This record gives sequence, C-alpha cells and structure tokens, in this order.
Amino acid sequence: NAGVTQTPKFRILKIGQSMTLQCAQDMNHNYMYWYRQDPGMGLKLIYYSVGAGITDKGEVPNGYNVSRSTTEDFPLRLELAAPSQTSVYFCASSYSIGGRTGELFFGEGSRLTVL
Amino acid sequence: DAKTTQPTSMDCAEGRAANLPCNHSTISGNEYVYWYRQIHSQGPQYIIHGLKNNETNEMASLIITEDRKSSTLILPHATLRDTAVYYCIVRVAVDSNYQLIWGAGTKLIIKP
Repeated sequence: NAGVTQTPKFRILKIGQSMTLQCAQDMNHNYMYWYRQDPGMGLKLIYYSVGAGITDKGEVPNGYNVSRSTTEDFPLRLELAAPSQTSVYFCASSYSIGGRTGELFFGEGSRLTVL
Repeated sequence: DAKTTQPTSMDCAEGRAANLPCNHSTISGNEYVYWYRQIHSQGPQYIIHGLKNNETNEMASLIITEDRKSSTLILPHATLRDTAVYYCIVRVAVDSNYQLIWGAGTKLIIKP
C-alpha cells in the first residue's frame, strides 16, 4: 500500500520563487493536513481539509495556499518563497466518522530550502 | 503553544522498559493525550492515545494519572529500533474540528 505520497522529496528555491508540494493518499481518508517542522521542533499545522472542496487554516498559514479538489490530493502552494519557509513539510491524512477521528498517517516529508 | 512538557532526552538499556513522562497540567476534561514517534527524519508514527483510562496496544502502554495532569508512555521491552523522538500531544478543539498541538518531544536513545 502506498499510503501518503509526497513529492518532491527535496527542493531548493530562490527567494521569490513559487512552487507546489504534492500530496496524495490512497486510503480514502476524508481529512488531510499539511505540517511544517523546523529543526529540533515539533510539527506546526499549516492548513487542513475535512473533505473535498473544504479547507481551513491551521497555526501558521501565512505564505501558503491549499486546494482540495479530490479526496485523494491535497497540494500545498508556496507563493513568493522566503528563507523563513526553509523547513521540512509533512502531509498527513486520517479518517473521521461520526466525529471520531482516527490516527494520522504521514508521508515521508519534503525538505525545502529557500536561498 | 504546546500544552505538554517533556524531558529533552532520555537513555534506556536495550531489553528494559522505557518510561517516558509527560506533563499536561492545563489539559481540559475532553482533551485527549496522543503519543507519536519520529524515527530519524521520517514521518511521525502513531503509537497510542487516551482520555482518562490507561490504554495498551501492541506497541506500548499509556498510564494517565487520575487528575489527568500527567501521563507516562511505557515501551515494555525497548529495542534499538525504538530510538526516536517521542511526542506527547494534546488534541484540542478548534472551532468545530480538532488539532494536535505538538511540543519538541523527548529524544529516546536505546543503548545496547
């Protein structure tokens, strides 16, 4: 089973460039999330989605955008990259039925450096 | 901000029980405690969660104090592959959904 797949695994951007981190899951989970992790720190929630067509901001949404046109895909867009966005980005998914949310399944991460 | 406090690092001998403490003194009555771990720089992996009762699964046991202000994750027979950063997390309600609030975690090193 593929689980949660993120691409690319590594990327170097110049300041001001834009890019999209891709995330796909094949578990038919309705919830999907984007986190960032800075060195030695825990994860910070950027955006999340409770289903196709629905997205909401997390703790640190500034400088990012998301869309959720299908259940499977949840891309994260960085506009006008800044050095502060240098981080490791994790996509995750979970089911939620009747208000009960299951465990998060994470991808392997995308390491982004902005120079 | 994180609602949990954990030691920065701990050591444990291989084959012994690893006991990882966590303080969450401001936890509310309906907020769950979750544990995840992150091996090297991989994506975090779910371990266990609980509300007020002790919980056990094939990976670990979770002991929550009666006042719910602290908990302990127990890995009963630690192996070298259990070396990882362990995160104690409180799940909080935000609007009509839930979010996991992550701290910096405990780096657990299992020694041969």
